[in-house]
Amino acid sequence: DVVLTQTPPTLSATIGQSVSISCRSSQSLLDSDGDTYLNWLLQRPGQSPQLLIYSVSNLESGVPNRFSGSGSETDFTLKISGVEAEDLGVYYCMQATHAPYTFGAGTKLELK
Amino acid sequence: EVKLQQSGDELVRPGASVKMSCKASGYTFTDYAMHWVKQSPGQGLEWIGTIIPLIDTTSYNQKFKGKATLTADKSSNTAYMELSRLTSEDSAVYYCARGYNNYFDYWGQGVMVTVSS
Repeated sequence: DVVLTQTPPTLSATIGQSVSISCRSSQSLLDSDGDTYLNWLLQRPGQSPQLLIYSVSNLESGVPNRFSGSGSETDFTLKISGVEAEDLGVYYCMQATHAPYTFGAGTKLELK
Repeated sequence: EVKLQQSGDELVRPGASVKMSCKASGYTFTDYAMHWVKQSPGQGLEWIGTIIPLIDTTSYNQKFKGKATLTADKSSNTAYMELSRLTSEDSAVYYCARGYNNYFDYWGQGVMVTVSS
């Protein structure tokens, strides 16, 4: 199975600060169809996960553009440009290139 | 508005089975796959499998073969997951999530399953 390693496990930020989360894959996530199925999810406290970004860098509808994703092959980054209070929670990367689909262990974003 | 409404939390005895539901609304049920995901404190998020309601085809994570059975009822726009021979390792929150182009764009609210005697 593909292992996704997220760093850091915990991130402390002030409102307005820009932060980045890394997700590294144990194998390339470039699919034979040319797409790279690396997605980012946010789980706020007490809520279900929600999709933020799909296929590395595509912002899901309704997601603020302070969120951005980048990367390729095995190395991916989620950036939040100016953290807001509603951004607090646990961020997960998820790959859907190789079965079984797998998730990273999560990065908890807290207020400093 | 797309909505996935899951059934209520369950308390079940070890060795028993449990069947939970995920009722879809706000879209054409047969146009999308339905995935199931387990969330437990020890294991994080795990993909259990998926069902394509249009053709009743399922695909499972090898880890959950024999444990989970996915079905769908097109007449009621409802997906089901049955978990069998429950142990304490199966205590977790289970989510259904709509699948679209290799990502999960809508999630249910989750079902907490507690396995205890």
